[in-house]
Amino acid sequence: QLQLQESGPGLVKPSETLSLTCTVSGGSISGYFWSWIRQAPGKGLEWIGYIYYSGSTNYSPSLKSRVTMSVDTSKNQFSLNLSSVTAADTAVYYCARLHCSSASCYDTYWGQGALVTVSS
Amino acid sequence: QSALTQPPSVSGSPGQSVTISCTGTSSDVGTYNRVSWYQQPPGTAPKLMVYEVSNRPSGVPDRFSGSKSGNTASLTISGLQAEDEADYYCSLYTSSSTVVFGGGTKLTVL
Repeated sequence: QLQLQESGPGLVKPSETLSLTCTVSGGSISGYFWSWIRQAPGKGLEWIGYIYYSGSTNYSPSLKSRVTMSVDTSKNQFSLNLSSVTAADTAVYYCARLHCSSASCYDTYWGQGALVTVSS
Repeated sequence: QSALTQPPSVSGSPGQSVTISCTGTSSDVGTYNRVSWYQQPPGTAPKLMVYEVSNRPSGVPDRFSGSKSGNTASLTISGLQAEDEADYYCSLYTSSSTVVFGGGTKLTVL
């Protein structure tokens, strides 16, 4: 059974960079797209973007200027960097595997989520 | 960027059926079968319940069904159970290869 686990600092200072890693176990990172989604406290889901195992990316237009994703196939991990954070970036951050068919794409496996708080 | 509109809340009694709507436009929901639905019980990660409008992943009970009419996709839960109480989100894979989520609907089982 595929499992995903987010890891990284739970507290980040304003204006600094939020960095999270998602470790994939029970399957290979190769051949798939991998997503990041976040959820502010008491709010709905917000799509951040996805990365293909080869490194190609697609980001949310609203976050594009601050987001960078990367992948390390040797470690079966992919990562999220979000720069110049503010309190509005406080959220639970989820990583997920994005399954793409000829018709559509949708997130099939999700991590448990990691709460990141932006505060001085 | 596309926007998907969901009702903030719906409710039903055990055994009843409820339907959650997800409204887009003729350019996205109305044209493509790219809508998926996720269930998120309190304090847990979302779970895929329906993909490509009406397909269920293995393991999802057939009480959950998806459909589409015009620019509105819907998730119907029949034979409502207490464990179905959760937030439900629709999602659209857009023509720009991005993803957008609806605002979410809180289902209360009375």
